[in-house]
Amino acid sequence: GENVEQHPSTLSVQEGDSAVIKCTYSDSASNYFPWYKQELGKGPQLIIDIRSNVGEKKDQRIAVTLNKTAKHFSLHITETQPEDSAVYFCAASPGTYKYIFGTGTRLKVLA
Amino acid sequence: DGGITQSPKYLFRKEGQNVTLSCEQNLNHDAMYWYRQDPGQGLRLIYYSQIVNDFQKGDIAEGYSVSREKKESFPLTVTSAQKNPTAFYLCASTPRLTTKNTQYFGPGTRLTVL
Repeated sequence: GENVEQHPSTLSVQEGDSAVIKCTYSDSASNYFPWYKQELGKGPQLIIDIRSNVGEKKDQRIAVTLNKTAKHFSLHITETQPEDSAVYFCAASPGTYKYIFGTGTRLKVLA
Repeated sequence: DGGITQSPKYLFRKEGQNVTLSCEQNLNHDAMYWYRQDPGQGLRLIYYSQIVNDFQKGDIAEGYSVSREKKESFPLTVTSAQKNPTAFYLCASTPRLTTKNTQYFGPGTRLTVL
């Protein structure tokens, strides 16, 4: 069935280093790829998204890249800060009600 | 402030009881969703609604029920038929079902069965 694989499940980086989280999707009809940040006990917050007609999108320290051929998309966080510590989820959507979520990556930024 | 509110934040239920989780949005969004989140798993869709008085089952609807009598409200009832209801429940909304995909989430309700 349709699924989204997300790696790694946990990631620890030193403050100031970069973090990369990768997702692979199976549904070739997917055309929208959001990334969410979830802090403990709270709902996910959209941090960046990309549509299938774009290969890369950047917003300050956060960037997302998309390789449609390989069905991969990745989240890049540069100059990490302690407040970046959270669980990050990727998702893929074919543009209808359906969103397939990854299993999450727990990012720890060590001061 | 526009947004999605969920209540209560924490809910405790005895086995055999039905409980209802509230979800309200003032974003004027047409579509609303309920997800269940378990540790180490992605979000799983319970129910979604495109418009008032219409809703559809998601991937794990068994043991749950919803209503959509108002555009702003989409309450979820966890019935006694749900075998393992302890989880974190998230409500979300989008402006339309298909034309704009960004989902906005509420703060969640943590349900614990005693």
